[in-house]
Order: sequence, then structure tokens, then C-alpha cells
Amino acid sequence: AQSVTQLDSHVSVSEGTPVLLRCNYSSSYSPSLFWYVQHPNKGLQLLLKYTSAATLVKGINGFEAEFKKSETSFHLTKPSAHMSDAAEYFCVVSRNTGTASKLTFGTGTRLQVTL
Amino acid sequence: GAVVSQHPSWVICKSGTSVKIECRSLDFQATTMFWYRQFPKQSLMLMATSNEGSKATYEQGVEKDKFLINHASLTLSTLTVTSAHPEDSSFYICSAPGQGSQPQHFGDGTRLSIL
Repeated sequence: AQSVTQLDSHVSVSEGTPVLLRCNYSSSYSPSLFWYVQHPNKGLQLLLKYTSAATLVKGINGFEAEFKKSETSFHLTKPSAHMSDAAEYFCVVSRNTGTASKLTFGTGTRLQVTL
Repeated sequence: GAVVSQHPSWVICKSGTSVKIECRSLDFQATTMFWYRQFPKQSLMLMATSNEGSKATYEQGVEKDKFLINHASLTLSTLTVTSAHPEDSSFYICSAPGQGSQPQHFGDGTRLSIL
């Protein structure tokens, strides 16, 4: 069994300040972990992925995440928020690295960026 | 550019009608596609796995007679919501196993509103 828990349903930051979106996972296997972003009425865009290589993963748009096995965490960070970052973010776990594997989604974190 | 095309993007129809949603993989073949449902301010829930040339695999609690899935070719999967009712109103998203580094490519989703 596998699951992800996104600890915050809503995060609000000022433009130019750091972003931290928290995610903890549970998996009976070595997991693959992903962060996706969803803008209103849109599909999902992959930000970054962890697949047992480097524990610090860099993604698009300045985002990065660090896989910490001891803490079972995969938090998403960005040094400086931009207005265009306002969206819904999903932490996702997959059982293995196969592309046809089922994905299990967290409940999502809505990021609000204010001036 | 988009690698998975989903159509239509928005549907409004009367209760009791059937609605078909198409999901196409562009420039690549997909023997497997996934259909998700997302209620407002909630996460994505996998409904079913569409398999080319064979029956779809439905997740527990999803009515297969209500949500008909057809995967007749390597680039097209369709989801038909039969005799739709207001409680079927939701955001439906499809995905196909990824090419390159992406685990899954997502369509832009279909907003279904049943009056």
C-alpha cells in the first residue's frame, strides 16, 4: 500500500518570499515521488520527480524537492515565489518507475501568492 | 506542446443525457490510458484504467455500466457517462503513460456540468 499526506491544504506567501509545501509519504516499496502543478480548469504539469537517484531533485520554474527517507518526506521548495506560481500542487507517489504504474495523489495544497 | 489531447473541455447538458469524452495521445501510441475524476477542491481519484483491445479495469466503487470506457485504437480512449445526473458533475481528466522522462502525460480535463 502507498499513500501521501500533504500537510497543508492552503499556503499563502508574499511574492519574493520562499515557498514550502510539505508532503509525507508511506510506501511498502521504494517509491517514486512526484510533484505536479494544476492551474484552474487545467490538467496537470509535472514539476519534478524522484526515482531513487539523487535525493535533491531540481524541477522546472525554480522548484526543487528533497527526498528524506528517514523522515519519509518529499517537501517542495522554491526560494522566491512569483505571482504565476499561484496554483494547486499535488504530491504523488507511484509504486515503481514504470510509466504505466498507478499514481496515488495527495489531497493537494493551494498556493496563494500575494503582493 | 500538448501530448495528450482531451475533448471537449467543457460540457453542459441536461440530466439523463449521455456524454462522451475523448482522450487522444498525439504522436505516440498508448496501450494504456487512465481516467480520473476530480471534485471541486479535492484531489484526483483514479476511476479506471483503459486497455487497448481489452476491457477496462475499474477501481472499487466505480460503476462500469455508468462510466463506459472504450479503447479501440492505440491513440484514442473514450469515456461515456451514461444517463448523467447532477451528482456526476465533476472535472474528468485522462492521462497516458509518459514519453521520455514523464511518468504520465495529462490531458487538460473536461468540466462536466449536468443540469
